[in-house]
Amino acid sequence: LAKTTQPVSMDSYEGQEVNITCSHNNIATNDYITWYQQFPSQGPRFIIQGYKTKVTNEVASLFIPADRKSSTLSLPRVSLSDTAVYYCLVGGAYNQGGKLIFGQGTELSVKP
Amino acid sequence: KAGVTQTPRYLIKTRGQQVTLSCSPISGHRSVSWYQQTPGQGLQFLFEYFSETQRNKGNFPGRFSGRQFSNSRSEMNVSTLELGDSALYLCASRSRGQGNEKLFFGSGTQLSVL
Repeated sequence: LAKTTQPVSMDSYEGQEVNITCSHNNIATNDYITWYQQFPSQGPRFIIQGYKTKVTNEVASLFIPADRKSSTLSLPRVSLSDTAVYYCLVGGAYNQGGKLIFGQGTELSVKP
Repeated sequence: KAGVTQTPRYLIKTRGQQVTLSCSPISGHRSVSWYQQTPGQGLQFLFEYFSETQRNKGNFPGRFSGRQFSNSRSEMNVSTLELGDSALYLCASRSRGQGNEKLFFGSGTQLSVL
């Protein structure tokens, strides 16, 4: 069962690139890595998912090294509206119904 | 498509009571999972239901239970409420695709136990 570790909090300024790393030493071969964003009083929202190497979409990039024991969410040019809590999720493949274990979350604060 | 709907939005109960929370998934989604969120503990996995069967469970006492109906709607029940059960309870649904298949979360039910 993959246990995930993330920094508790991070600070940044508008326009900067932010990188949040999640450690998951016990990741299984068939586990995917997924990142979610959560604003206060709302449920988490999907950002990006990957298995290995690099994935990019319109809002973020996800970097996964060859050993897959960590992953880095990259948010380019953050704005004040990116202030939120970011969670990584490892495992819980749909076909296998594994436990859906989230990291403790990283509280990102973006300042003007 | 309508999103994941959770009812009620807020709930106040007293110790010893029981509570039932409801979750309606996105149409066509057969998997529903439940989470407890507290300020100090983050998102804690409670259980996941798929086609009316619980296929995985987190580390919570037996007071926490759930079920899923044939239309994929799910309910979660907590019996003999304790003060520590005060939390935001979230449910999420997902459907078959590639990998984990992304979770779609509801806005949650905020439970306060007095």
